[in-house]
Amino acid sequence: KAGVTQTPRYLIKTRGQQVTLSCSPISGHRSVSWYQQTPGQGLQFLFEYFSETQRNKGNFPGRFSGRQFSNSRSEMNVSTLELGDSALYLCASSLDKSYEQYFGPGTRLTVT
Amino acid sequence: DAKTTQPTSMDCAEGRAANLPCNHSTISGNEYVYWYRQIHSQGPQYIIHGLKNNETNEMASLIITEDRKSSTLILPHATLRDTAVYYCIVRTLGDDKIIFGKGTRLHILP
Repeated sequence: KAGVTQTPRYLIKTRGQQVTLSCSPISGHRSVSWYQQTPGQGLQFLFEYFSETQRNKGNFPGRFSGRQFSNSRSEMNVSTLELGDSALYLCASSLDKSYEQYFGPGTRLTVT
Repeated sequence: DAKTTQPTSMDCAEGRAANLPCNHSTISGNEYVYWYRQIHSQGPQYIIHGLKNNETNEMASLIITEDRKSSTLILPHATLRDTAVYYCIVRTLGDDKIIFGKGTRLHILP
């Protein structure tokens, strides 16, 4: 069974731009969660989607948003990029709550 | 905030058992103990989880104390590929987010 895939793997953007990252979960997994990892803050939860609905959200500004499609694929969007948004963005999928989450390789975003 | 405390780093000789401790003194009755690891530049990898009984799978063993206030992850025969940051996490059944702490950086020495 294929693992979680994320595209693109690397991205360079300029301050003020917006970016969209994509995540394809493991087949059959309906829950997709997003995390941000930075050297200073570590791994932080962004939000979680299940059946196209956001069920949980972390403490991030409204510039961070996401959505999930009917095939469980998910995208996250960051608008008006700031230098501090430079990070590794990780997507994880699971069957549902309480099940173990399987992470993708991440998208490394650099904002200049 | 993370509800676990782990040593910042540990060393282990290749071929020996690596024992990684974790304190979770405020764990509540419906919280599970999960372990993940993250090898450099990769996404975290699920290892094992448990509630109160010891658990074993093909990757590791999880020993949880009787009072559930601490646990130990055991990698029985560490290899260089086990060099990673290991995260101990407590998670409520039904919770869809994982709160990661700083983890333990495990160095396997040849």
